[in-house]
Amino acid sequence: GNSVTQMEGPVTLSEEAFLTINCTYTATGYPSLFWYVQYPGEGLQLLLKATKADDKGSNKGFEATYRKETTSFHLEKGSVQVSDSAVYFCALKTGAQKLVFGQGTRLTINP
Amino acid sequence: DTGVSQNPRHKITKRGQNVTFRCDPISEHNRLYWYRQTLGQGPEFLTYFQNEAQLEKSRLLSDRFSAERPKGSFSTLEIQRTEQGDSAMYLCASSVGDWRGASGNTEAFFGQGTRLTVV
Repeated sequence: GNSVTQMEGPVTLSEEAFLTINCTYTATGYPSLFWYVQYPGEGLQLLLKATKADDKGSNKGFEATYRKETTSFHLEKGSVQVSDSAVYFCALKTGAQKLVFGQGTRLTINP
Repeated sequence: DTGVSQNPRHKITKRGQNVTFRCDPISEHNRLYWYRQTLGQGPEFLTYFQNEAQLEKSRLLSDRFSAERPKGSFSTLEIQRTEQGDSAMYLCASSVGDWRGASGNTEAFFGQGTRLTVV
């Protein structure tokens, strides 16, 4: 079956540090890959997506590249801000319509 | 506000009682999804509708759970004879899609969820 594995949190960094949150997946077929973010007290929001191998999704300084050979979609940001503190979810979707999520990684950025 | 709206935001109920949640999707979205999220976990798919048709149900959706979308607009999720294990955040999402299913990259917009606590 389809599944997503994220690096365990919580992750705590200082402002302006480099961020990587690892995500690997198992899927039949050719999934689309997503990163969702959940800020405190808010609903899930789409952060970025990639629909085929070697695509790079990017938004708000975050990037992730769809790597078919390593079945990965790691999230990166070069310089994090306090406002990036949130829970980040990696997810995939195949021909079926449902999203399959990882367990989430809580990120805290200290000033 | 034109986002996905869920009501109530919080619900505390006694074990054995029935509860019903409502989701109002974005108005032009024909697909509607229900997910459940327990503490420290990612959301898990429960069911989804294309217009008023319920097209898929997860094995997580026991016979105590029922979802409807009678007119292809808002949806309700009812849990009968609640158990403590039902305590979770129930999330609704909506998106645009067609019958061909070629919408794997269509964005799903999520509501803020209904947090259920069964005591």
